[in-house]
This record gives sequence, structure tokens and C-alpha cells, in this order.
Amino acid sequence: QKEVEQDPGPLSVPEGAIVSLNCTYSNSAFQYFMWYRQYSRKGPELLMYTYSSGNKEDGRFTAQVDKSSKYISLFIRDSQPSDSATYLCAMSGNTGKLIFGQGTTLQVKP
Amino acid sequence: ETGVTQTPRHLVMGMTNKKSLKCEQHLGHNAMYWYKQSAKKPLELMFVYSLEERVENNSVPSRFSPECPNSSHLFLHLHTLQPEDSALYLCASSPRPGPNQPQHFGDGTRLSIL
Repeated sequence: QKEVEQDPGPLSVPEGAIVSLNCTYSNSAFQYFMWYRQYSRKGPELLMYTYSSGNKEDGRFTAQVDKSSKYISLFIRDSQPSDSATYLCAMSGNTGKLIFGQGTTLQVKP
Repeated sequence: ETGVTQTPRHLVMGMTNKKSLKCEQHLGHNAMYWYKQSAKKPLELMFVYSLEERVENNSVPSRFSPECPNSSHLFLHLHTLQPEDSALYLCASSPRPGPNQPQHFGDGTRLSIL
């Protein structure tokens, strides 16, 4: 079983839709949770960073962590074509070693 | 504009060649990382350096040899690579190694082994 599971998609939505991206994990020691966005031919860019359970909002983006279910989500409101990218979840415990999901490819159609 | 710069952006080499990948970070960070990103697979951590000292080698074959001459520069020396080594190689940095240290990535070197 992979430590982090993420549906690779692709996920295609119309412009303006609410997007939900998710990851599940198996290691209960994970405490730090990140979402990265990766455009084609670019490196991953840190989008959101949360510690432990709860929600964090930044503009159109909301990250949620449910440690009891070992489930994290990224919501994108009013999605735009410029949001089309691959979204990577990543998490770590006290060692600091980041474990990544496979990435979900998102396409937002005008 | 990323604070982590990688060169070259693309590299094609034969299995018997020797080449090096370069990474430079302008963020004042003390930890640097090499990752491998293959199609349809999660990022794989290869090496971690803290203040020029290697603190982690994630069971990487010896045909990959890292070098960190100072806290701003990181190299990955390549020799006698295999076709399965074709991938995107990403460099990252963070203020320090360890938890609660988000990593910042460069745009990678796309490596193709003939």
C-alpha cells in the first residue's frame, strides 16, 4: 500500500466550477500537509501549507485536513483556465521527509 | 521567477557519457534536495544536504553522485546511466532540513538517456 494515494485524473471542469482535489494517507505520524501546483515544464510551486487538522483559506483556495480519516483536500473556487495544472499533495512527520502523492491533472475549460 | 535555478533545462546523453546537473538557490536556505520525477509516479527523494553535509541518501545507485560545495550550490554528477534514469530531476531548498520547512523547487532538468 502506498503511503499517499492521489487519483491522477485527469479531471476536467468548466470555468467557474468548484474543484475538489483529495489525498488519503496511511501514516498517522504525518502532521505537516502541503499542496503544490505544477505547470507543464515547470517545477512544483508551494500553494498551501497546513499543520495538523483543520482548514486554511487563501483567496480562492481552501485546504482541509481530517487526521481522523487520514484525508486531505484542496478546494478551488471559481476555477479559471489558468488553474489548469497538476496538483501534488505532500506530507511529512517529524523527520521532515516529504512524501508526495502522484499528482492530479486538472483542466479548466473556458 | 523562482529562487532556485537549475541548469541545463534539457540534457540528452548516451549511457557511457558523464555529465553534471547544477542547482543554485538564492533564498539563503541551508538545506538542499535532489528529487527524481518520473511519469505517473510520485516525486522520489534522492539526496538531502544540510550546510553542505549529506544527511540522507535514499538508496540511490552509485551512478548518481551528489556534491554540495556550499549552501547555495548543489550538483548531481551522472555517469553510465541507464534508460530508466530518464526523468525530470528537481532541486529544492528549505531554510533547514526537518519538519515544518516547506521546500521550494526549481524548474528541473529533463534528462533523456539514449
